[in-house]
Amino acid sequence: QVQLQQSGPGLVKPSQTLSLTCAISGDSVSSNSAAWNWIRQSPSRGLEWLGRTYYRSKWYNDYAVSVKSRITINPDTSKNQFSLQLNSVTLDDTAVYYCARGPSYFRYWGQGTLVTVSS
Amino acid sequence: QSVLTQPPSASGTPGQRVTISCSGSSSNIGRDTVNWYQLLPGTAPKLLIYSNNQRPSGVPDRFSGSKSGTSASLAISGLQSEDEAHYYCAAWDGSLNGWVFGGGTKLTVL
Repeated sequence: QVQLQQSGPGLVKPSQTLSLTCAISGDSVSSNSAAWNWIRQSPSRGLEWLGRTYYRSKWYNDYAVSVKSRITINPDTSKNQFSLQLNSVTLDDTAVYYCARGPSYFRYWGQGTLVTVSS
Repeated sequence: QSVLTQPPSASGTPGQRVTISCSGSSSNIGRDTVNWYQLLPGTAPKLLIYSNNQRPSGVPDRFSGSKSGTSASLAISGLQSEDEAHYYCAAWDGSLNGWVFGGGTKLTVL
């Protein structure tokens, strides 16, 4: 059974960097058949996919157009986890952030982290 | 404005059958499969339907999905009060090279 455990601060100041981590158990971040995603949910935007990282003989990343200039998703093979960094946040980035396992559908999700952008 | 279009709301009485539509384009639903997710307040999204019409283990057979061309739909039969939730469709978009979601449909059980 795959389990995803999220960690990271729930409050970020405007213009700063949002950083979250998703620890994986029951699978490997280096799996050749998985993809590791970040998705957020807010009342105004609904569900929004942010990006993913996956390993197919080498590492790949895909990012949503809406955040492409501000986002980085990195795997950490030593800790079997992956991370999200979103730079230059604004009030509009306030949302519940989830990590989720792909690639073809999201069966396993993290517990969610409410991140509030506020000064 | 979401890439996939869903009605913002739907409703039904207990025992009824309701359907929720999801409209896309040739770059997403027209070329790839559709998944459906259920969002209950305070909980992570739950995979309801994958690959257009497949149910993960544990999802009641009251839930079914279908796809035709660039549209898909989720049907819920024998509506129950616990089905009151938000429902989202999702598909991979080959032009955007990313996952796209519908705007979500709030289902109310009257």
